[in-house]
Amino acid sequence: GESVGLHLPTLSVQEGDNSIINCAYSNSASDYFIWYKQESGKGPQFIIDIRSNMDKRQGQRVTVLLNKTVKHLSLQIAATQPGDSAVYFCAARGFGNEKLTFGTGTRLTIIP
Amino acid sequence: NAGVTQTPKFRVLKTGQSMTLLCAQDMNHEYMYWYRQDPGMGLRLIHYSVGEGTTAKGEVPDGYNVSRLKKQNFLLGLESAAPSQTSVYFCASRGNYGYTFGSGTRLTVV
Repeated sequence: GESVGLHLPTLSVQEGDNSIINCAYSNSASDYFIWYKQESGKGPQFIIDIRSNMDKRQGQRVTVLLNKTVKHLSLQIAATQPGDSAVYFCAARGFGNEKLTFGTGTRLTIIP
Repeated sequence: NAGVTQTPKFRVLKTGQSMTLLCAQDMNHEYMYWYRQDPGMGLRLIHYSVGEGTTAKGEVPDGYNVSRLKKQNFLLGLESAAPSQTSVYFCASRGNYGYTFGSGTRLTVV
């Protein structure tokens, strides 16, 4: 089966700096990856996704990088703001599989 | 457009009681899911449905049942609640543009 893990449970970043959150997955057959943001008392909120035929995708202030060789995924947030403080989850799904496997989450704290 | 709505938001049950959590989506999505979230763990899939009238087991299905009688609704039932089922439950639906999650139901079993 798939397992997904985040490298750091917590991360503190100065406001305005860039932050990088890392994630590793185990199943080389995983073909779809998603990053979610979860604020306290709320459900996961979609940030950005990437398919296995890509190695980089950019959104507004966010970039996801996928390295299939080492089964590693990262989320980069540019110019962090106080509103970026949350728990960030990566999730992976295998082709034809309905199950999204989530990592345990990284709590990002933005220091003013 | 409400997205995914879960009811209730909070509930306290006694061991052995039963209850049903309701998930409703107004996006005409075929796929719906129930997850549970426990401290220090990622979300784990309980059951899911790929369309009206269908259900399938996920990663942690024991102690739960589900029904999808209408496309827009996905019900999660606990027949005999146990303290191990204390958790936050999230429903999600999936369409062409990805997954949408509800805001969760916090369930405590005492």
